[in-house]
Amino acid sequence: KNEVEQSPQNLTAQEGEFITINCSYSVGISALHWLQQHPGGGIVSLFMLSSGKKKHGRLIATINIQEKHSSLHITASHPRDSAVYICAALNLNYGGSQGNLIFGKGTKLSVKP
Amino acid sequence: GAGVSQTPSNKVTEKGKYVELRCDPISGHTALYWYRQSLGQGPEFLIYFQGTGAADDSGLPNDRFFAVRPEGSVSTLKIQRTERGDSAVYLCASGVTWNSPLHFGNGTRLTVT
Repeated sequence: KNEVEQSPQNLTAQEGEFITINCSYSVGISALHWLQQHPGGGIVSLFMLSSGKKKHGRLIATINIQEKHSSLHITASHPRDSAVYICAALNLNYGGSQGNLIFGKGTKLSVKP
Repeated sequence: GAGVSQTPSNKVTEKGKYVELRCDPISGHTALYWYRQSLGQGPEFLIYFQGTGAADDSGLPNDRFFAVRPEGSVSTLKIQRTERGDSAVYLCASGVTWNSPLHFGNGTRLTVT
């Protein structure tokens, strides 16, 4: 079982729909990253959060530390949002040092016009 | 300002050859990570530098892989006796500290024939 699980693996939406991508993790973390990767492109960091909620434009990320769960929401989705969204947990306990980043396998989002 | 730069962007090599992949992080970023991403998978952690030292090299798959960061800025990932299974996109990311948002390079696509 992966230590960081994302769902769904693939998601197709119509333009304008509200989208939710989920991330669950089984390790103790100091923070969680949400990343965006466009086809053939590099990775862009969207959020890094350790509690509560963060908002940037149409993107909202939430985390519940007790439940070890985070969600990424996209409001009023647009075709340009089509990308792979990856959550990555900054592992608190790994090796007793400053941890390493454990990645989920990503959620491939396709927004149709 | 300049982001994380990785060179070359593409590298094709024959099985058994030695390759070096370079990462030039954002100036002043002390944390530097190397990851490997295979098609359809999330990034896999390889090694993490804090300054000049490798704080965590537990992700390196075997002793054919080695990375250095002699002056705490540019890092080089070195792969000896390459194998076809080493083919992947090698990503570099840097951050102000280990617990900061990460900035990713565009990766080096390595193909071992």
